[in-house]
Amino acid sequence: DAGVIQSPRHEVTEMGQEVTLRCKPISGHNSLFWYRQTMMRGLELLIYFNNNVPIDDSGMPEDRFSAKMPNASFSTLKIQPSEPRDSAVYFCASRPSGGSSDTQYFGPGTRLTVL
Amino acid sequence: DAKTTQPPSMDCAEGRAANLPCNHSTISGNEYVYWYRQIHSQGPQYIIHGLKNNETNEMASLIITEDRKSSTLILPHATLRDTAVYYCIVRVAQGGSEKLVFGKGTKLTVNP
Repeated sequence: DAGVIQSPRHEVTEMGQEVTLRCKPISGHNSLFWYRQTMMRGLELLIYFNNNVPIDDSGMPEDRFSAKMPNASFSTLKIQPSEPRDSAVYFCASRPSGGSSDTQYFGPGTRLTVL
Repeated sequence: DAKTTQPPSMDCAEGRAANLPCNHSTISGNEYVYWYRQIHSQGPQYIIHGLKNNETNEMASLIITEDRKSSTLILPHATLRDTAVYYCIVRVAQGGSEKLVFGKGTKLTVNP
């Protein structure tokens, strides 16, 4: 099993540029989560999807951030325009459907640096 | 979701048991206790979870007090690769918020 796949692993961009982060969840998982981690704020949930539908985006910091899940095997997190304070590690996680467990499987993360 | 309190850091000798405490005094009857860990530069990894009874798997054991106000994660024979930040989280497994709210966790350092 390949696990959750994220790309790119590292991204360096300049302020004002558009950034797109990509995630492929584990096959068969029906929930997908986007997190952001910084030293100051720790690990924060940005948005999550159930069956490709956004359920809670209250963690999305502002309108510059948007996330989509066009199908069960792909999701994107876009920042437009990017700002230096967006520099962080962005994690994607997926979770299987059913059962009582909330075991989330995290990807390796994308380290974003906005200059 | 209820909040948790963990010590910011702990040390453990390699080969010894690591006992990581967590206080969750406001936990509700339908909230589970979850433990995740994050090894440096990696995504968080699920370890174990429980409701009332003690649980054990290939990674660790989870001891929950009878009043459920605190719990302890036990790594029976810590190795250097267990050095990580350990997060204790409580949440409703079904019917409640889907969110896992990560606190600051406990940074465990396993020393040779």
